[in-house]
Amino acid sequence: QVQLIQSGAEVKKPGASVKVSCKASGNTFTSYYIHWVRQAPGQGLEWMGIINPSGGSTTYAQKVQGRITMTSDTSTSTVYMELSSLRSEDTAVYYCARGGAVPHTGGAFDIWGQGTMVTVSS
Amino acid sequence: DIQMTQSPSSLSASVGDRVTITCQASQDISNYLNWYQQKPGKAPKLLIYDASNLETGVPSRFSGSGSGTDFTFTISSLQPEDIATYYCQHYGNLRFTFGPGTKVDIK
Repeated sequence: QVQLIQSGAEVKKPGASVKVSCKASGNTFTSYYIHWVRQAPGQGLEWMGIINPSGGSTTYAQKVQGRITMTSDTSTSTVYMELSSLRSEDTAVYYCARGGAVPHTGGAFDIWGQGTMVTVSS
Repeated sequence: DIQMTQSPSSLSASVGDRVTITCQASQDISNYLNWYQQKPGKAPKLLIYDASNLETGVPSRFSGSGSGTDFTFTISSLQPEDIATYYCQHYGNLRFTFGPGTKVDIK
């Protein structure tokens, strides 16, 4: 059973960067796209971007374009999401989720990480 | 960008009731529509994919229908464990847009 295990909670100051990891168990890491989704306190779900863990190609949501970087490390089956120039509005739970099978970028998110709380506060 | 709306934003129903949530897209999205359940403090869970396909292991009281711009999610007989917020999600052209959610409570 594939699982996505995320790194722990972070507290950052405005203007800083945060890097959240998402480690996949099982041997299908390079076969599926990984997405990042965030949820501000009491709010809905917001898609942030997608990465192909095999080739490293990415597409980001316009709202975070320029501040977000997604990378992958196939040797450890881990995907990373780094968000820079943090502001209070970035306070949220960040989730990674498994998407469609490569090369099909569409599809549902069938497996989710447990979430990582990122708090931005001075 | 395609916008997704859901109605109602919240509802209260009795155990055993039939519950229906609607999701509307701002333009034709074919059947590129998924439904998720999220319980407080938990990650979302996929229930329905491609508008009407039940994810493996999901109880059959959950169902989805629709195509084009109008979609429906139904719980045929509400159970206490179904208390959650439900989200529709459109995908296409490397864009993945969630609806605002519908919070379901027990009356």
